[in-house]
Amino acid sequence: EVQLLESGGGLVQPGGSLRLSCAASGFTFRSYAMIWVRQAPGKGLQWVSAISGSGGSTYYADSVKGRSTISRDNSKNTLYLQMNSLRAEDTAIYYCAKAQRGSGYYDAFDIWGQGTVVTVSS
Amino acid sequence: SSELIQPPSVSVSPGQTASITCSGDKLGDKYACWYQQKPGQSPILVIYQYNKRPSGVPERFSGSTSGNTATLTISGTQAMDEADYYCQAWDSSTVVFGGGTKLTVL
Repeated sequence: EVQLLESGGGLVQPGGSLRLSCAASGFTFRSYAMIWVRQAPGKGLQWVSAISGSGGSTYYADSVKGRSTISRDNSKNTLYLQMNSLRAEDTAIYYCAKAQRGSGYYDAFDIWGQGTVVTVSS
Repeated sequence: SSELIQPPSVSVSPGQTASITCSGDKLGDKYACWYQQKPGQSPILVIYQYNKRPSGVPERFSGSTSGNTATLTISGTQAMDEADYYCQAWDSSTVVFGGGTKLTVL
């Protein structure tokens, strides 16, 4: 079964850091681009970051650029998001998702994890 | 940066056809897709590459495009289709989501 399982969320103070993980199973992980998407309480989906299958290409939303780093370990079938200098507005459910088409395609994502909750508050 | 515009809400009676639009600059030149999200659940891909359905998605879901507008159509809408729907595209090295449309079946 194709599956994504996020972890690493929690309560963190403003200015703090977190590393989110997304464990993949059931497909050839290295062959697919991956993204992180977040959803603040009561709000819509907001793209955070994307990475190609090899990890050689990375992309960031302006809202997290310079504060976050996306990476992947294809030997461990795991996607990561390192988030630094966290702000209250980063509070959200964070989802990882798998590209539908392959390594360098970001036009649709067919498998989503259940999400991990990040709360930034003092 | 790119923006995809969706109506905040659409209402439809059971058994009728619901249409949700997504407009964006040169959207017709890019692949657009659609997600369904029910409360407390993760998004589900229902349409990709404008009009293709992933396996398991009912045939009543279809997609189309014309000019700068992509449209999700649900024929014979059922109560279970009540959800938020989001369009998405890839543009200028950015994943762009529409603001979402709440579909109410009443």
